Amino acid sequence: AQKVTQAQTEISVVEKEDVTLDCVYETRDTTYYLFWYKQPPSGELVFLIRRNSFDEQNEISGRYSWNFQKSTSSFNFTITASQVVDSAVYFCALGNFGNEKLTFGTGTRLTIIP
Amino acid sequence: DVKVTQSSRYLVKRTGEKVFLECVQDMDHENMFWYRQDPGLGLRLIYFSYDVKMKEKGDIPEGYSVSREKKERFSLILESASTNQTSMYLCASSVAGQARETQYFGPGTRLLVL
Repeated sequence: AQKVTQAQTEISVVEKEDVTLDCVYETRDTTYYLFWYKQPPSGELVFLIRRNSFDEQNEISGRYSWNFQKSTSSFNFTITASQVVDSAVYFCALGNFGNEKLTFGTGTRLTIIP
Repeated sequence: DVKVTQSSRYLVKRTGEKVFLECVQDMDHENMFWYRQDPGLGLRLIYFSYDVKMKEKGDIPEGYSVSREKKERFSLILESASTNQTSMYLCASSVAGQARETQYFGPGTRLLVL
């Protein structure tokens, strides 16, 4: 069975601080995909990144970076120099090859304090 | 850009009413999904459709049915609404691709059942 754990329910940081959102996954498959989505107060989930299980390279996109470690089954997301616009609920999700569905974590609500 | 639209942002219904939630996507995606989002539970899949008139149950299909008569439209039906179906409902679509394809989400419908 697939499972995604986002242990941090809520995080608050002061603007310009760095913050890391944790994601731990469980799967027996060797081919799988990991996603991060952002849900701002407007409600629509916005796709941020997708990684496949064969690509453990870390990725950086502006102030966002992702650390994928198969050894610890983790796919953590770091925001550098946080801004108020980063306030949102962030979801990590897991997809397995051969199955069109995603398993989502319970989300982390991030609040950036001005 | 992919666009997924949902018929209502907010909906208030009475217990026992039949409720229709409509979702339309404009990118010719094969897959469409209905989720509900509840605090502390993340996103849970209700139903999934991989083609016109084809559907699969998700994790929590009880009390719901779906209809997909056209490729671009996927409807979620609450046959007899109950208060425990008060929730945020999110529709998504994706290209067929065995979970490696990104799901794109609509803005959500907040349903209140009184």
